[in-house]
Amino acid sequence: NAGVTQTPKFRILKIGQSMTLQCTQDMNHNYMYWYRQDPGMGLKLIYYSVGAGITDKGEVPNGYNVSRSTTEDFPLRLELAAPSQTSVYFCASIKPSSGNTIYFGEGSWLTVV
Amino acid sequence: AQRVTQPEKLLSVFKGAPVELKCNYSYSGSPELFWYVQYSRQRLQLLLRHISRESIKGFTADLNKGETSFHLKKPFAQEEDSAMYYCALGGNAGNMLTFGGGTRLMVKP
Repeated sequence: NAGVTQTPKFRILKIGQSMTLQCTQDMNHNYMYWYRQDPGMGLKLIYYSVGAGITDKGEVPNGYNVSRSTTEDFPLRLELAAPSQTSVYFCASIKPSSGNTIYFGEGSWLTVV
Repeated sequence: AQRVTQPEKLLSVFKGAPVELKCNYSYSGSPELFWYVQYSRQRLQLLLRHISRESIKGFTADLNKGETSFHLKKPFAQEEDSAMYYCALGGNAGNMLTFGGGTRLMVKP
């Protein structure tokens, strides 16, 4: 198993550009999450999904969109990038029936200039 | 609302010294508490969870519901313990984790 895979690892965006952070997992996990990690601020939940076709807002959803068309994939879309979205983004997944251990991707470093 | 507080952003100790990373939470339901560790340039990984009552890499953590705390302890710190440590609270619908702000542990030789 590859686990949770995120791409790209690094990206620099100009203000107003859009991009999609890709996340895929091969563990057949039904729950998936997107967090952002700001220095000294811990991780904050952006969006989550409890299964294909279902998504919900987390704590800081503004400026982002997600979709969950398959169990494996949970892409995060930034439509109009802003400097406040400069952060490290982590995708994670869990299969609650398997002990509630959350698995994280390696992170995507995004800078908006 | 659930909240996790890690009061120390940075904790610096010498090798062999005891370590305690503090974590306090607020949650009205039945909490599930976790410690996650992030070594330099690596992904977050689970260190331990309160329901397992286990010791991982010499670390232990006891859930104290009266003080709403889940402090992480190790009697003798090692240099390889240097990392970011995050306390996390679960137990809600959707199994979302609420993270504390993290504590950077630096173990000096």
